[in-house]
Amino acid sequence: GESVGLHLPTLSVQEGDNSIINCAYSNSASDYFIWYKQESGKGPQFIIDIRSNMDKRQGQRVTVLLNKTVKHLSLQIAATQPGDSAVYFCAEAKKKGSTLGRLYFGRGTQLTVWP
Amino acid sequence: GAVVSQHPSRVICKSGTSVKIECRSLDFQATTMFWYRQFPKQSLMLMATSNEGSKATYEQGVEKDKFLINHASLTLSTLTVTSAHPEDSSFYICSARTGTGITDTQYFGPGTRLTVL
Repeated sequence: GESVGLHLPTLSVQEGDNSIINCAYSNSASDYFIWYKQESGKGPQFIIDIRSNMDKRQGQRVTVLLNKTVKHLSLQIAATQPGDSAVYFCAEAKKKGSTLGRLYFGRGTQLTVWP
Repeated sequence: GAVVSQHPSRVICKSGTSVKIECRSLDFQATTMFWYRQFPKQSLMLMATSNEGSKATYEQGVEKDKFLINHASLTLSTLTVTSAHPEDSSFYICSARTGTGITDTQYFGPGTRLTVL
C-alpha cells in the first residue's frame, strides 16, 4: 500500500564505497518495482526496474535485488559518487492485464555522499 | 529515454487566483498521465490519474473542482489549481506512462513549485 513518511531515513557513505538502500513493500500482489532518484527541487528520475519473475537485475553501477518472500527490495550503488547524493524512492505496482496500475511509493531514503 | 516536461517550473501567485500547470511527453505518446503532490521531505502523493479523452480519476480526499485536470491530447495534460490558497503551496509533479506490456513504466517531469501568497 501507499505510505507517506514524515521523516526520511538517511544513509551517509564515503565516496567510493558501495551503498545499499533498502525498501520494504506491503502488497504481496505487486509484480513490478521501480527505483527512482530525486535530487533537491527536481522530479524523480528513473534508475532501474525489476519484475516479480526476477530476483536480481543489474544496470550501470546499480543493482536491484528483490526478495518476494519477505517483501524486500534493495538498491545497491557501486563506487558511490557525490553526484549520487539524493533521495531514493522505491515504488511498487501491479499489472492490470497488459497495463501497469498506479505506483505506490515508499518513504524515501536520503543518501549523502561525503568525500 | 522518455522525456517529460513541465511548465512553469516555478510560479508565485496571489491567493484566490488560478494557476495552470502543463505536462508534456516530448518523445512518446502517453495515454495516461499522473499528477502528484509532494511536501518537503515527504514521499509523492498521487492526486489523480489523467486519461486522454476521458475524465480524470481522483484519489480520495482530492477535490476535483479545485484541481481541474484536462488531458486533451496524447502528449499534453494540464492541472489547474483553482482559487489557490496558501495551503495549496507545494511541489506538483506529473508523470507519463510510456506504453503497454513489458515496456510500460512511468517517467516523471521536473516538477512545478507553486507558492501562493
